[in-house]
Amino acid sequence: EPEVTQTPSHQVTQMGQEVILRCVPISNHLYFYWYRQILGQKVEFLVSFYNNEISEKSEIFDDQFSVERPDGSNFTLKIRSTKLEDSAMYFCASSSTQSTSYEQYFGPGTRLTVT
Amino acid sequence: AQRVTQPEKLLSVFKGAPVELKCNYSYSGSPELFWYVQYSRQRLQLLLRHISRESIKGFTADLNKGETSFHLKKPFAQEEDSAMYYCALKSSATNKLIFGTGTLLAVQP
Repeated sequence: EPEVTQTPSHQVTQMGQEVILRCVPISNHLYFYWYRQILGQKVEFLVSFYNNEISEKSEIFDDQFSVERPDGSNFTLKIRSTKLEDSAMYFCASSSTQSTSYEQYFGPGTRLTVT
Repeated sequence: AQRVTQPEKLLSVFKGAPVELKCNYSYSGSPELFWYVQYSRQRLQLLLRHISRESIKGFTADLNKGETSFHLKKPFAQEEDSAMYYCALKSSATNKLIFGTGTLLAVQP
C-alpha cells in the first residue's frame, strides 16, 4: 500500500539556522499539507498546496515558512530562521481529491528540535 | 470560530467494557467529521468519517448536529484498541483539518 514518507525522522538544529523538512506524498495525489504538533498540544494545520501554489495557510505559517514542490515527487517545508518555539513534530499529508469522500494520508512525521 | 473539543485526555477501561470517546465541535455550517487514530509508534490514520456511516474495527460514530457532537463508541473494548484518538473537523470550504487535543485510550487486560 502506498504511503507518505518523510525525512529525516529527527532533526536537531540551532536557533537561527535554516531547516528543510522533506516529504514524498503518495504518487497520484494532488493536494499536499503540512501540520505540526508541539509536544502536549493539538495537531495544527500549517499550509495546503495544490497545483504548485499555496491554497490555504494558517496564521502560524508566517514569512519564516515556505513550501515547495521542487520536482514531481518531493514536497518540502523550509523554516528560514528557526526559533525555539518551532520545536515540534511536523507531519506531511496528501490527498487525491477535495471531494467529500477524500482522506488525508499522513506521513510518520519529522521531530524538529531547536536548541 | 471552528473548534473541536475532546474533554478527556485519558480514558482507561478494562477489556470487554464499552468505550465512548467524546468529541464536540463548533462550526456554523455543515462540517465533515472524522476520527483519526495513532497507535504506538505509528502514523496518524483515518479510522472513520461521518459521511460514510461505517463501522471500522467495531467502532461507530454518529454525528449529532443538535448537540454538535461526534462521539466514538465501541461496545466491547480490546487491548489492541489502545491508542491516541483524534477527532477532526473539515469545513466544506477548505481542505484543512482542525483537530481536537486527542484522547489516549488505555485498555487494561
